[in-house]
Amino acid sequence: AQSVSQHNHHVILSEAASLELGCNYSYGGTVNLFWYVQYPGQHLQLLLKYFSGDPLVKGIKGFEAEFIKSKFSFNLRKPSVQWSDTAEYFCAVIGGATNKLIFGTGTLLAVQP
Amino acid sequence: DGGITQSPKYLFRKEGQNVTLSCEQNLNHDAMYWYRQDPGQGLRLIYYSQIVNDFQKGDIAEGYSVSREKKESFPLTVTSAQKNPTAFYLCASSIREPSYNEQFFGPGTRLTVL
Repeated sequence: AQSVSQHNHHVILSEAASLELGCNYSYGGTVNLFWYVQYPGQHLQLLLKYFSGDPLVKGIKGFEAEFIKSKFSFNLRKPSVQWSDTAEYFCAVIGGATNKLIFGTGTLLAVQP
Repeated sequence: DGGITQSPKYLFRKEGQNVTLSCEQNLNHDAMYWYRQDPGQGLRLIYYSQIVNDFQKGDIAEGYSVSREKKESFPLTVTSAQKNPTAFYLCASSIREPSYNEQFFGPGTRLTVL
């Protein structure tokens, strides 16, 4: 069965620090990958997605993610975080016959001003 | 404004009672989904529907039921058979094809069973 692993459960950073959140998935075929974000008190919303083509994808608010097929990874990055990036971040994947979106357990990011 | 509405935002029920959570969308999406979010467990799929009058079980369907009589609406009933119903419930929708399209989420309903 497909699964998604997010190894960092809680991350605390100071403003202007660089961010990298890990995401690994377990399906060996063609996958479509997503990062969603849930700001405090707000809807879950899409940050970025990868379907095909350039493995480095740009999302909203300065976020980017790199798909590395050989490592089954889709890590999220941001060069300089802001206090407003405090949120929970979810990696998700669709692959194989099920066509169901499988979520990781989430990473809670706290950015200190 | 197009979007997904879930009501109520907070819901309290006594153990042994069935409760129905509402989800409505005006995005003209064919597909709709119900997820359960628990701390440290991410989102888990309960049920999904690709088209009116059809729905499939997700990974944790036991103790839940759904209906899809209208395109805009996908209510979820949490029955007394659900052993641990207290959770945050999220509804989502998407266009049906291709299947990997973005899912749009509602604001959620926090259910507490006392």
